Amino acid sequence: AQSVSQHNHHVILSEAASLELGCNYSYGGTVNLFWYVQYPGQHLQLLLKYFSGDPLVKGIKGFEAEFIKSKFSFNLRKPSVQWSDTAEYFCAVATGTYKYIFGTGTRLKVLA
Amino acid sequence: EAGVVQSPRYKIIEKKQPVAFWCNPISGHNTLYWYLQNLGQGPELLIRYENEEAVDDSQLPKDRFSAERLKGVDSTLKIQPAELGDSAVYLCASSLGSGGPYNEQFFGPGTRLTVL
Repeated sequence: AQSVSQHNHHVILSEAASLELGCNYSYGGTVNLFWYVQYPGQHLQLLLKYFSGDPLVKGIKGFEAEFIKSKFSFNLRKPSVQWSDTAEYFCAVATGTYKYIFGTGTRLKVLA
Repeated sequence: EAGVVQSPRYKIIEKKQPVAFWCNPISGHNTLYWYLQNLGQGPELLIRYENEEAVDDSQLPKDRFSAERLKGVDSTLKIQPAELGDSAVYLCASSLGSGGPYNEQFFGPGTRLTVL
């Protein structure tokens, strides 16, 4: 069955630390890839997306993600986190049959 | 531009009671999704509509859940009767379409259901 794995369930960082959140998926066909973020008390919103082309995509607020097809991965990165990045982050995959599958999420807490 | 609207935001009911959730997608968005999100989990798709047609309802528990999108715009998700295990957040999302760059989803705030 198709699935999305986010290996880090909880991450705690100090401000200015670098961030990398892992995301792996299991699907052999063409995929579209997304990272969504949910800030406390707010609804899910898109952080960045990959459809085709350059596997390194840049999103809002200094986030970027790299699609590595051979590893079925789409890891999220930010070189220097801020306290305001405290949120829950979800990786999602849309398959060729338009199945939209979310990972279980990673809760990030940034200490001021 | 108005986002995805959902109501109510919160609902508390007793088990075996019916409940309904309403969603109005972003204007012009043909595709509408209903998701269930349990605490500590990611959203799980319940049903996807293309206009008024339910094109993927494979994850919808049809014995107690139903949904409609009669005019291809707003949608209602119903549970009858509700069970304790239905306590969760019900999310609605919409997108321009289902494929390629059109499947970026925009989410509503969700309805938090508590079944007592």
